[in-house]
Amino acid sequence: NAGVTQTPKFQVLKTGQSMTLQCAQDMNHEYMSWYRQDPGMGLRLIHYSVGAGITDQGEVPNGYNVSRSTTEDFPLRLLSAAPSQTSVYFCASSSSWADTQYFGPGTRLTVL
Amino acid sequence: AQSVSQHNHHVILSEAASLELGCNYSYGGTVNLFWYVQYPGQHLQLLLKYFSGDPLVKGIKGFEAEFIKSKFSFNLRKPSVQWSDTAEYFCAVGGSGNTGKLIFGQGTTLQVKP
Repeated sequence: NAGVTQTPKFQVLKTGQSMTLQCAQDMNHEYMSWYRQDPGMGLRLIHYSVGAGITDQGEVPNGYNVSRSTTEDFPLRLLSAAPSQTSVYFCASSSSWADTQYFGPGTRLTVL
Repeated sequence: AQSVSQHNHHVILSEAASLELGCNYSYGGTVNLFWYVQYPGQHLQLLLKYFSGDPLVKGIKGFEAEFIKSKFSFNLRKPSVQWSDTAEYFCAVGGSGNTGKLIFGQGTTLQVKP
């Protein structure tokens, strides 16, 4: 049982490049979320999903896309990277909206 | 809209001192409340949570939190901190409805001096 896994751990992009941050969980959780963590701002919700095929926007969705084709995977796509997207990204999953969220180890992204 | 406010951004304590971190939330319905901790170099993990029942909730490592509905508060406490409690602490609120959204506060960095 690996829990929540994220790849890559570190990534450097140039402005305008696109990429996908991977997130997978093996706990059969319906709920998955993406957060970004910035100093002094805590964690902000980017997108979330309440099950396969269902996604919705969080607090800061602009510049990011998600899809949920399977229960296990919830990739986050940066369409055209900007320096403002330099951050640490965390994926999380839970069995229900009210339950404990399990976090992945994070991806540290730098956009030059 | 949901919001969470943590009043203390950076707290420095000596070992054995008592700790109280403030958390206030804004939400119009039923809420579930959480405290998460992020130790240096590690990812977030649950410290404690409140769903219903006894408003005084006990978590791991001697932490507790009290839900005061009238004050929209969920403050975290520990009677005697240790150097190993040095970490960043996040309060979070999950609202009612089948949405899966969890809103976090800005976080409080706790530094415990040995």
